[in-house]
Amino acid sequence: DAGITQSPRHKVTETGTPVTLRCHQTENHRYMYWYRQDPGHGLRLIHYSYGVKDTDKGEVSDGYSVSRSKTEDFLLTLESATSSQTSVYFCATSGGQGWGEQYFGPGTRLTVT
Amino acid sequence: DQQVKQNSPSLSVQEGRISILNCDYTNSMFDYFLWYKKYPAEGPTFLISISSIKDKNEDGRFTVFLNKSAKHLSLHIVPSQPGDSAVYFCAALSSRSGYALNFGKGTSLLVTP
Repeated sequence: DAGITQSPRHKVTETGTPVTLRCHQTENHRYMYWYRQDPGHGLRLIHYSYGVKDTDKGEVSDGYSVSRSKTEDFLLTLESATSSQTSVYFCATSGGQGWGEQYFGPGTRLTVT
Repeated sequence: DQQVKQNSPSLSVQEGRISILNCDYTNSMFDYFLWYKKYPAEGPTFLISISSIKDKNEDGRFTVFLNKSAKHLSLHIVPSQPGDSAVYFCAALSSRSGYALNFGKGTSLLVTP
């Protein structure tokens, strides 16, 4: 286990409100990722980070932003939540050169009403 | 466009028998393949991986086979145990083009006593 925690674990919010999900890791891994999992889609990459303040977009980045001010924390923000962003969000980390095994957190279930 | 495909949404196997989970990919740039196991309400857990320079990798009861010419890989679990019941995700990446894992939609394995 890479010592990854996510907060909150569950959240219900209303359409149009901003939401921030937090990922915290204790393994000093350089690379961190945010995925969403939806029925019929598997896991899809939203954003990733390859170092402090270094981030890039993934496959489904529209409507999301990220920040990484410390190695251990990676924040995912929904600027104005929509019902299509109802999903389970997973954070992951990897060490070494970045590619290879990724270790996942327990997930955050977000419901946008 | 799904680059990693798991065409069987579910599989049921008797305890003690072999479970074979299949995965196909379309991107010839993929050079590293991974299998993840996921229980409900938990994050995916890394199971086994294989590099494109190999055609087989074994770890205890789990073996992954890679057929590059067919762009196909499979995960064999022998013998299957009830605790293996979970969703299995196949994932692939290209070490030259970045860090993102491309996931299949998953196969739900049920091992019956």
